[in-house]
Amino acid sequence: DTGVSQNPRHKITKRGQNVTFRCDPISEHNRLYWYRQTLGQGPEFLTYFQNEAQLEKSRLLSDRFSAERPKGSFSTLEIQRTEQGDSAMYLCASSLGKAGTEAFFGQGTRLTVV
Amino acid sequence: ILNVEQSPQSLHVQEGDSTNFTCSFPSSNFYALHWYRWETAKSPEALFVMTLNGDEKKKGRISATLNTKEGYSYLYIKGSQPEDSATYLCAPGLGGGSYIPTFGRGTSLIVHP
Repeated sequence: DTGVSQNPRHKITKRGQNVTFRCDPISEHNRLYWYRQTLGQGPEFLTYFQNEAQLEKSRLLSDRFSAERPKGSFSTLEIQRTEQGDSAMYLCASSLGKAGTEAFFGQGTRLTVV
Repeated sequence: ILNVEQSPQSLHVQEGDSTNFTCSFPSSNFYALHWYRWETAKSPEALFVMTLNGDEKKKGRISATLNTKEGYSYLYIKGSQPEDSATYLCAPGLGGGSYIPTFGRGTSLIVHP
């Protein structure tokens, strides 16, 4: 295991379609974060998991977004009925359990909604 | 939502110049601050994790300081090299059970040979 892996790396979808992204964290990491980054902005927090429990969701996350982390391993982020405003880089990061420890990022999934 | 300000937004320097960036954040209930370097087409990479007021960390030509009482951190690069070109992000987080790194917009550094 060499790091955090995200799939796919790029996704182009038509408006209104559903998309799902996957994140495989570093295996011993029990915290997993999802962020979204748009041009000119820093990564914006979406949600995070401690093991399988989703502990916090940003108010940015509308009802069309859902994330899961079954069994506390990989995580998926689904966007339903995509809109052009969802076009962004979606980043996943993981860290060891203790709060404040360094987070390791994947390379992200670039979503383009046309 | 934690308000994190980074300045400058972008910076162009010549190879060999030294430079510094600022990260400002609310000082109450501070828990930790991370600095990351994000190169194009790569993952953000952690440079430093800082927790204590007065912390100073160094990695090669890059160093950082932390002032939690006034809510700022500085990142310094001595003798910039073209390979230092990247976006530098700071991410402070508050205490409590749900520590979440909150990112600023970053400082984009371009070092010209």
